[in-house]
Amino acid sequence: DIQMTQSPSTLSASVGDRVTITCRASQNVNSWLAWYQQKPGKAPKLLISKSSNLQSGVPSRFSGSGSGTEFTLTIRGLQPDDFATYYCQHYNSYTSRTFGRGTKVEVK
Amino acid sequence: QVQLVESGGGAVQPGRSLRLSCVGSGFTFSEYGMHWVRQAPGKGLEWVASIWFDGSHKEYADTVKGRFDISRDNSKNTVYLQIDILRDEDTALYYCGRDQGMFGDVLVAWGQGTRVSVSS
Repeated sequence: DIQMTQSPSTLSASVGDRVTITCRASQNVNSWLAWYQQKPGKAPKLLISKSSNLQSGVPSRFSGSGSGTEFTLTIRGLQPDDFATYYCQHYNSYTSRTFGRGTKVEVK
Repeated sequence: QVQLVESGGGAVQPGRSLRLSCVGSGFTFSEYGMHWVRQAPGKGLEWVASIWFDGSHKEYADTVKGRFDISRDNSKNTVYLQIDILRDEDTALYYCGRDQGMFGDVLVAWGQGTRVSVSS
């Protein structure tokens, strides 16, 4: 199975900061990479699909980039509502769909 | 409005079986792939299984292959997860998710989960 390595595991930031989370795949996944946000006690929410496609209703301060084995999620101008845990996920119709271990964005 | 409601979780002893159900509404169920994802207490998300819109193709995480079976009944708008030979490490909140498309893409909608606790 493809392994997804996220870093950092925890990130301390302040409102207004620019935040970058990295996700590395153990092999080439092309652009089949999604990002989810999860808040405590809630189900995850899809933010970005296919590496950089922002889902409808997701604020434009979120952006994704990358292809192959290295991907990033960037939040420009962190808002109070953005403190949460973020997961990357590789997906493919014919194989497994592996999540990264998550990055918790906490208040500095 | 898309809604997914899971049920069937509970407290069970190791070695027993359980069948989880997820009923979808607010969309044409038979046109979308479906997934199960679990989250152990205090841990991250773990993809468990996926099934195509028509049930013709299924995929499983290596950690559950051979013990879990995903299936669907499109006439009942329901996807199932049969879990056999339950282990302590199966203790988790099990989420049902709807795919963006037919074949197994990203999860665009999630239920609130059903909790499975395995303990003797």
